Amino acid sequence: SQELEQSPQSLIVQEGKNLTINCTSSKTLYGLYWYKQKYGEGLIFLMMLQKGGEEKSHEKITAKLDEKKQQSSLHITASQPSHAGIYLCGADEGYGNKLVFGAGTILRVKS
Amino acid sequence: EAQVTQNPRYLITVTGKKLTVTCSQNMNHEYMSWYRQDPGLGLRQIYYSMNVEVTDKGDVPEGYKVSRKEKRNFPLILESPSPNQTSLYFCASSPSLGHSYEQYFGPGTRLTVT
Repeated sequence: SQELEQSPQSLIVQEGKNLTINCTSSKTLYGLYWYKQKYGEGLIFLMMLQKGGEEKSHEKITAKLDEKKQQSSLHITASQPSHAGIYLCGADEGYGNKLVFGAGTILRVKS
Repeated sequence: EAQVTQNPRYLITVTGKKLTVTCSQNMNHEYMSWYRQDPGLGLRQIYYSMNVEVTDKGDVPEGYKVSRKEKRNFPLILESPSPNQTSLYFCASSPSLGHSYEQYFGPGTRLTVT
C-alpha cells in the first residue's frame, strides 16, 4: 500500500520566519490533502491538490504538488503563533475509499 | 452548521467492557469512515461505509465492529476492549467516494482502556 513520508518530524521556528513541510509518496498521488490538527483535537482541512504542478494558497499557506505527483510541499510565509500545530498530509490511494496519512509534522512557533 | 459529531469525547474504561462511540453527520454524506491515531503511526483507517448497510474493513479492523443503519450515523463498537485499543479515534464523512472530495473529520474521541 501507499506510504507517505513527512519531513521534518518536528520544527521550531521564530515568529515571522518562513518554513516548508514536505510530503513524499512511494506512488503516484491521487488527491493530496493537507490538514492541520491542534493537539488532541480534530483535523481542519487546509487544501486539496489533484493535478501535477498544481499550487494553491490560503492566507499565508501555500501548497504545491509536483509534476510527477509524488511529492507535495506546504509553505508558510511569515509564521505566527496561530500556525502552531500538527500538519498532516493525506492521499487517496486511487480507489477513493480512504486516505492514507503521513505521521505528521509538529510545528511550534516561538514569539 | 455542517459538522461531524462524536460522543463521547473522552472515555476511560476497563478491559472487556463493551462500548460504543457514536458518530453523526448532518451533511447527507454517503461515505463515512473511522480512523485511529497513534503517536508515530499517523491515522489508520479502521472501517468505512459507502452507504447505508454497506460497510468494509480498512487497514486495522481487528477488535472493532461498525454498523450503518441510517445515512447520518456510523457507530464504532468495541465488543471487548483491550489496552492496545487505547487511542484517539476520528470519524470522517465525505459526499461520496473518490479523490475529488474533501473528508470532514469529527473532533475526536480519546479512549483509554485499562
